[in-house]
Amino acid sequence: EADIYQTPRYLVIGTGKKITLECSQTMGHDKMYWYQQDPGMELHLIHYSYGVNSTEKGDLSSESTVSRIRTEHFPLTLESARPSHTSQYLCASSEGGQGVYEQYFGPGTRLTVT
Amino acid sequence: AQKITQTQPGMFVQEKEAVTLDCTYDTSDQSYGLFWYKQPSSGEMIFLIYQGSYDEQNATEGRYSLNFQKARKSANLVISASQLGDSAMYFCAMRDGGTGGFKTIFGAGTRLFVKA
Repeated sequence: EADIYQTPRYLVIGTGKKITLECSQTMGHDKMYWYQQDPGMELHLIHYSYGVNSTEKGDLSSESTVSRIRTEHFPLTLESARPSHTSQYLCASSEGGQGVYEQYFGPGTRLTVT
Repeated sequence: AQKITQTQPGMFVQEKEAVTLDCTYDTSDQSYGLFWYKQPSSGEMIFLIYQGSYDEQNATEGRYSLNFQKARKSANLVISASQLGDSAMYFCAMRDGGTGGFKTIFGAGTRLFVKA
């Protein structure tokens, strides 16, 4: 069973607030990802990381930022939340190397910005 | 550019029957991996099955099998003996296996309804 955790699971917050979505994994995976998903829709990659101190933006433009100071931790921050940020945010991790490995997903954070 | 297409927004199947969920992909890479994930209403993504582009045999995992037709660029998921708990969204995904490549793209998903 995958060991990847996200907090909070649900968050309702007002416009303009700064928020950080937490993601941690205990599998020692080098690669970590953040996806944004509207209900019943496809996943869009917004950030990914090869390893410590390595982060890249994904295919979907996002106003969020990420950091990777420790292997196990990959938090996502919104400096000023807006209603357009309302969505589900899924964190995932996978093994490194040249192979093609499946991603393990966290339970997600459902964010509502009022 | 890589692309995943799932043409069935919704599918119905009778309990205990088999169902096939379609997935076609487009890539110019020689090395890639194809995945299927299940997403129940609770929202988590559950890995189901994986097929590598060089794998000669179709992948199977319990009641799940992947019908891989490389020339047609299709990777359909077959669920045998459907159960009520199989009702969920199913996403087909692809990731290139090249040097450090690990961006995964997902299809739009197929919502499966299993009827009692």
